[in-house]
Amino acid sequence: EVQLVESGGGLAQPGGSLRLSCAASGFSFSSYWMTWVRQAPGKGLEWVANIKKDGSEKNYLDSVKGRFTISRDNAKNSVFLQMNSLRAEDTAVYYCVRQFVWGPGILVTVSS
Amino acid sequence: DIQMTQSPSTLSASVGDRVIITCRASQSISRWLAWYQQKPGKAPKVLIREASSLESGVPSRFSGSGSGAEFTLTISSLQPDDFATYYCQQYNDYPRTFGQGTKVEIK
Repeated sequence: EVQLVESGGGLAQPGGSLRLSCAASGFSFSSYWMTWVRQAPGKGLEWVANIKKDGSEKNYLDSVKGRFTISRDNAKNSVFLQMNSLRAEDTAVYYCVRQFVWGPGILVTVSS
Repeated sequence: DIQMTQSPSTLSASVGDRVIITCRASQSISRWLAWYQQKPGKAPKVLIREASSLESGVPSRFSGSGSGAEFTLTISSLQPDDFATYYCQQYNDYPRTFGQGTKVEIK
């Protein structure tokens, strides 16, 4: 069974940093692109970033370019989202996604 | 960016009703479209991929159609478990974009 479990969320101050992790199991992790999607409270879904199977290609939402970095460790079946220079508008539940299969999500709150 | 527009934003329906949700893209996305169902406090669940391919385990009352820039999700006979919010998503181009959602409510 495919499982994705996010961790690393919580409260951060504006301008601060957080690093999200997603532990994957139940499939051949190195064979799939991985994606992060977010959902602000009471709002719709917003694609954030994705990373190719071998980490050689990354794509980002314009509003996070230069602030967020996606990476992966295929040996540890994990994908990460380093979030710097956080803003209030980054407050959301962040989901780790593998080709249409979603983790349960983790809440990130940016507030002073 | 490709804009995805869903209609209606809210839909009131009764059990047994046929429900149709429309998703329009601002440019052609071929058939690179997925439909998701989301219930409060839960992650989205994929129903349809590549516009019309039903995901394994999804009831056959769900169907998708369309290509190019206009797509529909049809629920042939609405069941109590189907009251939820539905999103379309294009994966033809970056950034991937979602429709704003359609909330299906009990009439």
